[in-house]
Amino acid sequence: DIVMTQSPLSLPVTPGEPASISCRSSQSLVYTHGNSYLDWYLQKPGQSPQLLIYLGSYRASGVPDRFSGRGSGTDFTLKISRVEAEDVGVYYCMQALQTPVTFGQGTRLEIK
Amino acid sequence: EVQLVESGGDLIQPGGSLRLSCAASGFTISSNYMSWVRQTPGKGLEWVSIIYSDGSTYYADSVKGRFTISRDNSKNTLYLQMNSLRAEDTAIYYCARAKSGYSYVFDYWGQGTPVTVSS
Repeated sequence: DIVMTQSPLSLPVTPGEPASISCRSSQSLVYTHGNSYLDWYLQKPGQSPQLLIYLGSYRASGVPDRFSGRGSGTDFTLKISRVEAEDVGVYYCMQALQTPVTFGQGTRLEIK
Repeated sequence: EVQLVESGGDLIQPGGSLRLSCAASGFTISSNYMSWVRQTPGKGLEWVSIIYSDGSTYYADSVKGRFTISRDNSKNTLYLQMNSLRAEDTAIYYCARAKSGYSYVFDYWGQGTPVTVSS
């Protein structure tokens, strides 16, 4: 199985400041046309996970443009340009290249 | 509006069986790939099973031979039959819809149903 490793595991951020979460896979997630099968999800407190980014860099419907995903191969980053209070929760990366799909351990973003 | 509503979670003894349901609305489940994903405090998020539009199914090794995913198109409902339950199956179980054209981009999730396996 592909192992997904996130860092940091905890991320305190001041509102209005940027934030960055790293995700590394144990093997390349590049597939067709150079796309990387890497998705990002946010699980807000008391809620189910919600899709933020798919194929490494495509924002899901309704996701604010302060969220962006980048990376290729085995190294990926989720960036929030200016953190807002509603962004608190646990962020997960997930590889969708190979069954079984596997998730990172999660990064908890909290407001300072 | 797309909605997924799980039910069927319960406290069950080891070795027992349980069937989870996921009632869908706002779309036709046979048109999208549907998965079950579970979440535990210790292991985090774990994909469990998928059913494709053509009815083919796949499972995580941890549940293969014990769990069965299925759907009833007439009821627009997804199921997960869980047999020979173990303590390590204790989790919140989510059903999730894959975005059209993708197998595993989960664009909608249910609210989850808790399963506790304990004597």
